[in-house]
Amino acid sequence: ETGVTQSPTHLIKTRGQQVTLRCSSQSGHNTVSWYQQALGQGPQFIFQYYREEENGRGNFPPRFSGLQFPNYSSELNVNALELDDSALYLCASSSLGTADEQFFGPGTRLTVL
Amino acid sequence: AQTVTQSQPEMSVQEAETVTLSCTYDTSESNYYLFWYKQPPSRQMILVIRQEAYKQQNATENRFSVNFQKAAKSFSLKISDSQLGDTAMYFCALRQGGSEKLVFGKGTKLTVNP
Repeated sequence: ETGVTQSPTHLIKTRGQQVTLRCSSQSGHNTVSWYQQALGQGPQFIFQYYREEENGRGNFPPRFSGLQFPNYSSELNVNALELDDSALYLCASSSLGTADEQFFGPGTRLTVL
Repeated sequence: AQTVTQSQPEMSVQEAETVTLSCTYDTSESNYYLFWYKQPPSRQMILVIRQEAYKQQNATENRFSVNFQKAAKSFSLKISDSQLGDTAMYFCALRQGGSEKLVFGKGTKLTVNP
C-alpha cells in the first residue's frame, strides 16, 4: 500500500506566475483535500475533490483551482501568484463517507518572490 | 462556524515526564470528530489520536490519551513518558460528521529535553 505523495517538494515562483502542484492519493481512497499552511499557522482548508468534482471549498479566491483524475490523483493550480501564497501546501486523501482518518502527504513548499 | 483554539504556542518537557496540551473548540453540530496531529520537522502530518464526539470514553493510544470534556468543548492531549521523538508541532483539529474538511488550531510547539 503506497502512501500519499506530492510533487514537487519545493518550488520557487515570482509574483504573477502560475503554479501546479500534484498529489497522488493513497491506494483505495477516493477523496483528496488540499490545505494551505502558512509559516507558524495551522493548515487552512482550500477545497476537496471527490470523484473528479469539487466537493466543498474554503475561503480561497477562484484563482485557486483544482482537478481530480480518474485514478483519484489531484492537482492544485494557483494563478496570478501573490507573495502571501508562499506556504506549505498539503494534500490529504481519504474515503468519503467513512469515519476513517485522512492521510497527509509530505507537502510542497512554495515560495513566491 | 467551527473554530479550534490552542492557547499554548510553545511548551517544553523533560524526557520521561508527562505533558498536557490544551485545545478548545466550538461547533454547533452534535456529530463531529476531534483529532490531534503531530507535525515533525519533516513536515508530514501524522495522526496521533482521534475521538468521536458521541463516545463518552476518552481515547487512548499507548502513551497518548485525551481528556474530552464535551460540555466545556475541551479536548486536551496528555503525553506520558515523553520521548525525544515526540518533539514536534501538535495540532488539534475538528471535523464535522459527513464532511472531510478539517479545521485546525494554530498549533503547539512541543520540545522534549534530554
